[in-house]
Amino acid sequence: DAGVIQSPRHEVTEMGQEVTLRCKPISGHDYLFWYRQTMMRGLELLIYFNNNVPIDDSGMPEDRFSAKMPNASFSTLKIQPSEPRDSAVYFCASSRTTGIGTDTQYFGPGTRLTVL
Amino acid sequence: DAKTTQPNSMESNEEEPVHLPCNHSTISGTDYIHWYRQLPSQGPEYVIHGLTSNVNNRMASLAIAEDRKSSTLILHRATLRDAAVYYCILKRGNTPLVFGKGTRLSVIA
Repeated sequence: DAGVIQSPRHEVTEMGQEVTLRCKPISGHDYLFWYRQTMMRGLELLIYFNNNVPIDDSGMPEDRFSAKMPNASFSTLKIQPSEPRDSAVYFCASSRTTGIGTDTQYFGPGTRLTVL
Repeated sequence: DAKTTQPNSMESNEEEPVHLPCNHSTISGTDYIHWYRQLPSQGPEYVIHGLTSNVNNRMASLAIAEDRKSSTLILHRATLRDAAVYYCILKRGNTPLVFGKGTRLSVIA
């Protein structure tokens, strides 16, 4: 298995531009998670999906952030417009639920976003 | 979410055992204890998990106190590649992982 795939690996953009981060989860996994990591705030959960349906987006910082999962093999996290404070590493993860808390989350390599 | 408390940092000599502690005094009966680690410039990766009994796998061992209010991740022989941030997380049902600050492990050659 190729694992969780994220693209791009690095993104540099200017303030005000739209940024789209992409994620392909592991085949057969029914949960998908988006996290953001900064030095100041550590790893934060932004949103997660179950069977392509958003379950909890309370971690999404602002309306500038949106996430979609149009099918079981693809998800996007969009920031529009981007701001310098959005600079961070964004991780996507997926898991196959067991229902009892034993499921393992597999993380992608992350996208390092720099907003100038 | 039940909280966990870990030391900010620890240091170990190469090829010596490392014991990483975690306190979780408010753990509930259905919470599983998970450990993940994050190597430099990588995403977090699963290490081990357990409920009540001690667990072993190829990466590490997990020792769980009888009252479940604390646990210890044991790396039997630390290598330079084990230098990472180690996270102790309580997980219940289908809830996602919620990361704390973890313990930064340094391994000295």
